[in-house]
Amino acid sequence: AQSVSQHNHHVILSEAASLELGCNYSYGGTVNLFWYVQYPGQHLQLLLKYFSGDPLVKGIKGFEAEFIKSKFSFNLRKPSVQWSDTAEYFCAEDTGNQFYFGTGTSLTVIP
Amino acid sequence: DTGVSQNPRHKITKRGQNVTFRCDPISEHNRLYWYRQTLGQGPEFLTYFQNEAQLEKSRLLSDRFSAERPKGSFSTLEIQRTEQGDSAMYLCASSRTGLFNYGYTFGSGTRLTVV
Repeated sequence: AQSVSQHNHHVILSEAASLELGCNYSYGGTVNLFWYVQYPGQHLQLLLKYFSGDPLVKGIKGFEAEFIKSKFSFNLRKPSVQWSDTAEYFCAEDTGNQFYFGTGTSLTVIP
Repeated sequence: DTGVSQNPRHKITKRGQNVTFRCDPISEHNRLYWYRQTLGQGPEFLTYFQNEAQLEKSRLLSDRFSAERPKGSFSTLEIQRTEQGDSAMYLCASSRTGLFNYGYTFGSGTRLTVV
């Protein structure tokens, strides 16, 4: 069965620190990958997505992710986090019929 | 607002009662999805429609759950004889099929509390 793994359950960083959140997927076919963010009390919002082409994908709010097929990974990065980045981050893969979400990583940024 | 709309935002019900949630997708989106999210977990797929056809249902969707999308626009999710384990956030999302997957647009969800 397809699955998405997020190994970091809770990350705490100081402002201006660099961020990398891990995501591994298992689907061996053509895969579409996404990162969603959920700010406290708000709905899920799309950060970025990968379909094909350049494996380094840039999203909103300074986030980027790198698709590494050999490692089945799609890690999310941001060079310098802000307090406003405090949120839950979900990696997801789309196999054609549905999304499989990871369990999420809770990011807390300390001012 | 042209986003995905869900009603009600919150629902508190007694165990054993029936509840119904509504989702209005983005108008040009032909696919509609229902997910359930519990605290500390990612959204879990329940079912999805393409236009009015229900194409896939998760094993999570017991016989007490039923979803409809009668005219290919809004959708309803009904839970009969609610149980405390049904307490969760129920999320609706919509998308437009095409050459690429543009990603889902999620609604704000309906938080169900079964007491």
